Amino acid sequence: AQSVTQLGSHVSVSEGALVLLRCNYSSSVPPYLFWYVQYPNQGLQLLLKYTTGATLVKGINGFEAEFKKSETSFHLTKPSAHMSDAAEYFCAVSAPPNTGNQFYFGTGTSLTVIP
Amino acid sequence: ETGVTQSPTHLIKTRGQQVTLRCSSQSGHNTVSWYQQALGQGPQFIFQYYREEENGRGNFPPRFSGLQFPNYSSELNVNALELDDSALYLCASSLGTSLNTQYFGPGTRLTVL
Repeated sequence: AQSVTQLGSHVSVSEGALVLLRCNYSSSVPPYLFWYVQYPNQGLQLLLKYTTGATLVKGINGFEAEFKKSETSFHLTKPSAHMSDAAEYFCAVSAPPNTGNQFYFGTGTSLTVIP
Repeated sequence: ETGVTQSPTHLIKTRGQQVTLRCSSQSGHNTVSWYQQALGQGPQFIFQYYREEENGRGNFPPRFSGLQFPNYSSELNVNALELDDSALYLCASSLGTSLNTQYFGPGTRLTVL
């Protein structure tokens, strides 16, 4: 079975500071991992995903995440926060093909950017 | 290329009623997944449809049911509404397997009074 834990339901950073949003996963098979962003009253938008290959994944808006199998982690980072980054961020895990296509989402981390 | 659309955007129902939510998948996508997102929570998987057949179901009772049509659009039906069904219902479309990204619609906000 797959599951995701996002540490910290609320994170505040100053504009220009490093953004670090934490995600740990549990999976009985090699996982596919995703980060989505949700702005108020909107659906989810894909930031980046890891399936196979290079463990450092670059996404949109300057975000990146590193898959660390030994730590079962997939933390999201951005070197310099911008006001427009304020949103809810969700980490998700899914199972590979032929084992079901369910996405399991974490409970989300709300990012506040302080001017 | 059109994105995922959902209708209606907002809906208010009373306990015991039935509701139908609709989703049009992104052009070329043959898989639709439905999620329930309660306030302050992450989306919870309801079920997925692939080529008009249910292809996986989460931990939701049978009063949550769905359909997928030949054009790959989809409906989510909920019978005997309960207060706890109040949530944002998200539809996501993708092309086939979980290797492929799910693209989400803006959601339907359901309020049950």
